[in-house]
Amino acid sequence: DSGVTQTPKHLITATGQRVTLRCSPRSGDLSVYWYQQSLDQGLQFLIQYYNGEERAKGNILERFSAQQFPDLHSELNLSSLELGDSALYFCASSTKLAGEVGELFFGEGSRLTVL
Amino acid sequence: AQSVTQLGSHVSVSEGALVLLRCNYSSSVPPYLFWYVQYPNQGLQLLLKYTSAATLVKGINGFEAEFKKSETSFHLTKPSAHMSDAAEYFCAVTRRDNYGQNFVFGPGTRLSVLP
Repeated sequence: DSGVTQTPKHLITATGQRVTLRCSPRSGDLSVYWYQQSLDQGLQFLIQYYNGEERAKGNILERFSAQQFPDLHSELNLSSLELGDSALYFCASSTKLAGEVGELFFGEGSRLTVL
Repeated sequence: AQSVTQLGSHVSVSEGALVLLRCNYSSSVPPYLFWYVQYPNQGLQLLLKYTSAATLVKGINGFEAEFKKSETSFHLTKPSAHMSDAAEYFCAVTRRDNYGQNFVFGPGTRLSVLP
């Protein structure tokens, strides 16, 4: 158990719909990362938050948005869903503060299926 | 910019044989390198990490990796493969940053272990 909790584990929805994925990082971790994993694209970095502020953006579509709340949990919002958005979405958190280096701890992912 | 390449999207070895998974990185600053493993339907788990201490890093489950700056490589090895090693392996590079880190993952190598 990595200590990172993601909900829901599985989600099936229709095209055009909107979903919210939730992530609770490990206790004390300030950084939260979101990744998308699909068969054809591999593990793609979406976005990173550090203590409530956006710090880095990767290949995140404009239809997607995220935020990190004061209690450090994070939500990834996916809207106007398309078939190609079907993927496994991972949240990861990192324990290290500024100037240090630490590993990412991954949740078990949220599997999204868009029909 | 940092990048990671993993030679061989799929590697097959016999049980008891040497495992060698290749990782080469590109980084303009001293890198920090990681190997993660992903078992089916699970999140990524850290195998080992290099953070500028010893160049030969030992990880869990008998895996180890050697950082070779001259070759910009961080190959993962295990002397004797076990059936339970069958999984997807990801190499990742990051650098020290003021607000956390920017992790870049390789495309992954799927390891099959044949009886």
